Amino acid sequence: GQNIDQPTEMTATEGAIVQINCTYQTSGFNGLFWYQQHAGEAPTFLSYNVLDGLEEKGRFSSFLSRSKGYSYLLLKELQMKDSASYLCAVMDSNYQLIWGAGTKLIIKP
Amino acid sequence: ETGVTQTPRHLVMGMTNKKSLKCEQHLGHNAMYWYKQSAKKPLELMFVYSLEERVENNSVPSRFSPECPNSSHLFLHLHTLQPEDSALYLCASSHDLDSTGEKLFFGSGTQLSVL
Repeated sequence: GQNIDQPTEMTATEGAIVQINCTYQTSGFNGLFWYQQHAGEAPTFLSYNVLDGLEEKGRFSSFLSRSKGYSYLLLKELQMKDSASYLCAVMDSNYQLIWGAGTKLIIKP
Repeated sequence: ETGVTQTPRHLVMGMTNKKSLKCEQHLGHNAMYWYKQSAKKPLELMFVYSLEERVENNSVPSRFSPECPNSSHLFLHLHTLQPEDSALYLCASSHDLDSTGEKLFFGSGTQLSVL
């Protein structure tokens, strides 16, 4: 079966760096997405990786290793507003999105 | 504001009620989706429409009935729901279907409670 694994919850300190991991087993691969979802709000797109390596976008970076079935989202200089759930999703060979259950990130002052 | 609007934001209904969820997208997208989001579970895809035609129905019970009258509007009609149907229902749209890298734009969802 197809599966996405990510930690249920993480805690980090304001100003610090946090890495949220995502491992996947899917039927084919057409890219990996990260979305951010604040409580009670819409998930919003953060990043898309289809080739191996690191993609940097401001304070957020996303890494992909296709051979290892692994990605991470790196958040630097954490701010209180970064408290949210982070959803990992993989597009399989049929262009279906397979979702992880999300990682709830708690930022403490 | 993501360009996708859902109403109502919150809904409480009894098991014998009939209600409808509404979604509207202002992005000129061709594909629209209904997802169910339960606590600590992955998003579950319910229905997909492309150019107003239903292209996917993931074994969703018939008490959920979608309707897509045009490419900007999507409805989810609810009838004789069960308490386990309580969840956040998210609408999303994308420019096209089955395209690599196609990202989704989500509405804020309807938080549904079935009593």
